Amino acid sequence: AQKITQTQPGMFVQEKEAVTLDCTYDTSDQSYGLFWYKQPSSGEMIFLIYQGSYDEQNATEGRYSLNFQKARKSANLVISASQLGDSAMYFCAMRVTNFNKFYFGSGTKLNVKP
Amino acid sequence: DAGVTQSPTHLIKTRGQQVTLRCSPKSGHDTVSWYQQALGQGPQFIFQYYEEEERQRGNFPDRFSGHQFPNYSSELNVNALLLGDSALYLCASNTGLGSYEQYFGPGTRLTVT
Repeated sequence: AQKITQTQPGMFVQEKEAVTLDCTYDTSDQSYGLFWYKQPSSGEMIFLIYQGSYDEQNATEGRYSLNFQKARKSANLVISASQLGDSAMYFCAMRVTNFNKFYFGSGTKLNVKP
Repeated sequence: DAGVTQSPTHLIKTRGQQVTLRCSPKSGHDTVSWYQQALGQGPQFIFQYYEEEERQRGNFPDRFSGHQFPNYSSELNVNALLLGDSALYLCASNTGLGSYEQYFGPGTRLTVT
């Protein structure tokens, strides 16, 4: 069975500081992808970053980076230089390659303080 | 380049009624997935359509059904609505069964009273 766990229901960070959002996953499949999405209060899910299970380097997209530790089955999102507009819900998700459906965690609500 | 669109934005229904939600995928995408997101939770996969057929299904009862049209747009139908069906329904699209990135629409917020 596939499972995503996000243990931080809420996080606070000061503007311009970095923050790490935790995500652990469970799967017996060898080929899978890990994703992070941002969901503002408007409801739309915004794709942030992707990491493939066979990728040897950690993914980076602008201020977002994914700290992928395969042996520990963790895929933490690091946001550098936080901005007020980063305040939102953040979801970690996994897609097993043989099954084209996504499994989502319960999310972390990030609040950026001025 | 139009993204994923959904209609309606909000909907209020009564228990026992039926509802139809609509989704148009991002231009160039041919696969549509539907998710239910209850308040304070992550999205849960309902089902996925590709080439007008349901390809995969999550753990949802038969009251939830869908359809995909030749232009790749899709409908989600829910019969015999329950209070617990109140949620944000998200549609996502991607290209084919193998592509890894899904683009989500803004969702339809369904309230069942």
